[in-house]
Amino acid sequence: KAGVTQTPRYLIKTRGQQVTLSCSPISGHRSVSWYQQTPGQGLQFLFEYFSETQRNKGNFPGRFSGRQFSNSRSEMNVSTLELGDSALYLCASSFQVLNTGELFFGEGSRLTVL
Amino acid sequence: TQLLEQSPQFLSIQEGENLTVYCNSSSVFSSLQWYRQEPGEGPVLLVTVVTGGEVKKLKRLTFQFGDARKDSSLHITAAQPGDTGLYLCAGALYNNNDMRFGAGTRLTVKP
Repeated sequence: KAGVTQTPRYLIKTRGQQVTLSCSPISGHRSVSWYQQTPGQGLQFLFEYFSETQRNKGNFPGRFSGRQFSNSRSEMNVSTLELGDSALYLCASSFQVLNTGELFFGEGSRLTVL
Repeated sequence: TQLLEQSPQFLSIQEGENLTVYCNSSSVFSSLQWYRQEPGEGPVLLVTVVTGGEVKKLKRLTFQFGDARKDSSLHITAAQPGDTGLYLCAGALYNNNDMRFGAGTRLTVKP
């Protein structure tokens, strides 16, 4: 079956702009979680959505937001971009809620903020 | 500081050598997972351990969950260049809805 698909794969933005990233989970998976990966901090949990509801949110400012649609596809948005937001953004899908099952990751969206 | 501390951060060894990677925490986890990530790709699950003291083997890889469910180790026997990658441990906390990741161990196996 098709894996987790993230778009776009690469993007370059400037400070102050906003960005929207998309994640299509594996068919049948209802949980989508988002992570920020940087060389210094590793993988940091952003938030998880399950059946269109946000179950938990990591320690990130309100500029980071997300949503999930009825078909389980998810988007995350970052407003007023800062240089420090440059990172690889990964989403993962799971059949069960986040902390009970295997996570299947997409290849990520690499964001560069200039 | 990371909730899950992985050591070493970097490891460069020759093909055929053995190695152990550690994942430690002061917190108790309901389960712990190990992932491997290769450049340009997302992490891929290697194993999930759920019982304190549990040992799982996956070909040349041996995973152990500590008795107190606070730590884990990954041992690779006779490493091969194909084992090169970033190894991440991830833990599910009790009474919490998220998954916490360690910063990872970057392994390079030279032919």
